[in-house]
Amino acid sequence: AQKITQTQPGMFVQEKEAVTLDCTYDTSDPSYGLFWYKQPSSGEMIFLIYQGSYDQQNATEGRYSLNFQKARKSANLVISASQLGDSAMYFCAMRRGSNYQLIWGAGTKLIIKP
Amino acid sequence: EAGVAQSPRYKIIEKRQSVAFWCNPISGHATLYWYQQILGQGPKLLIQFQNNGVVDDSQLPKDRFSAERLKGVDSTLKIQPAKLEDSAVYLCASSSLTKKGGEREKLFFGSGTQLSVL
Repeated sequence: AQKITQTQPGMFVQEKEAVTLDCTYDTSDPSYGLFWYKQPSSGEMIFLIYQGSYDQQNATEGRYSLNFQKARKSANLVISASQLGDSAMYFCAMRRGSNYQLIWGAGTKLIIKP
Repeated sequence: EAGVAQSPRYKIIEKRQSVAFWCNPISGHATLYWYQQILGQGPKLLIQFQNNGVVDDSQLPKDRFSAERLKGVDSTLKIQPAKLEDSAVYLCASSSLTKKGGEREKLFFGSGTQLSVL
């Protein structure tokens, strides 16, 4: 069965440090996409970064990068130089199927300490 | 561009009452989703629309939940009668999946409606 696993329920990180949020996935489809979303306390899901299964390079978007290890089925999010505003829930999701639906992980709560 | 609009922001009802949520997607987005997010969990898809047609409603509890998207724009999600376990945040999202390379298209979310059933 297709599944997304985020093993870190919560993390505390010192401001300005880099942080890695783990995500592993399980699928037998050769074509899939992986997303990371941020959900602050306001509730809105905010898109951060996308990685396609056939992409040759790891995705980067500003301070966000995705450490994509296809053989290990992992897609970890790396946030460089963390800021207080990065405190939020972070969700990993996988797009699959012809309807492009998303399967979501349980999320990781990230708290940045000043 | 304007984002996905949802209302109300909060709703408190008693069990067995009915409730309705409204969503206005980003202009031009053909695909609209309703998700249920229970506290501490990731979102769960309830229903997906493509224009005004239903693509997938396999996880929608049809004995109590209903949704419509008239004219392929706004959408409403209704619960009748509500149960205690329906307490959750209901998120609406939209996407323009009809574009070429649509598998890379991200979903845009509204702020959600937080429902408390007492």
